[in-house]
Amino acid sequence: GAVVSQHPSWVICKSGTSVKIECRSLDFQATTMFWYRQFPKQSLMLMATSNEGSKATYEQGVEKDKFLINHASLTLSTLTVTSAHPEDSSFYICSAPQPGLKNTEAFFGQGTRLTVV
Amino acid sequence: KQEVTQIPAALSVPEGENLVLNCSFTDSAIYNLQWFRQDPGKGLTSLLLIQSSQREQTSGRLNASLDKSSGRSTLYIAASQPGDSATYLCAVKGLPGNQFYFGTGTSLTVIP
Repeated sequence: GAVVSQHPSWVICKSGTSVKIECRSLDFQATTMFWYRQFPKQSLMLMATSNEGSKATYEQGVEKDKFLINHASLTLSTLTVTSAHPEDSSFYICSAPQPGLKNTEAFFGQGTRLTVV
Repeated sequence: KQEVTQIPAALSVPEGENLVLNCSFTDSAIYNLQWFRQDPGKGLTSLLLIQSSQREQTSGRLNASLDKSSGRSTLYIAASQPGDSATYLCAVKGLPGNQFYFGTGTSLTVIP
């Protein structure tokens, strides 16, 4: 099946710094990618939808200036957590559907465990 | 907005038992429903995908059913093994943005 690669798999950063997470579709082009986060003992919640060549759309309550999303190519979307704080510590995971077909399965990256100290 | 609920939140069974995990969703206008497995601190492993026009899918010891009109899906695991211990998530794919809405998850422990 299709492969989505996410990097890094884990990162520890100091409070106030920025962290960039990459999500790549390795063998297909993804015009849309989804970013989710998961706090401990909670389910995955959609943060934003990344659209190639245009602005991302953010879910209610997600700060667009804090979570910068760039989808500059058909195979790469990046999520940058700016001025990270301990409450941003979470599991972040991206997903990319195969384009053109609404009923295809979703392919997920391996996820990134972010710890802000 | 779509809401997805899973029952039970946690389940502990002895090895060899058959078990059923439940998933319900509030909006029946879905494209498909997918069951995932998540091991602690790791990403998602896709188990089964059911299209909105289908009623069930099977893979090995796993069988997933879908009743779209009533907003329900079940995941049946036969002859459970300790290696099945994980969190199981169901997710529905629907309008408007084609994104997935995840359930709250069922944490399964299979006792040897």
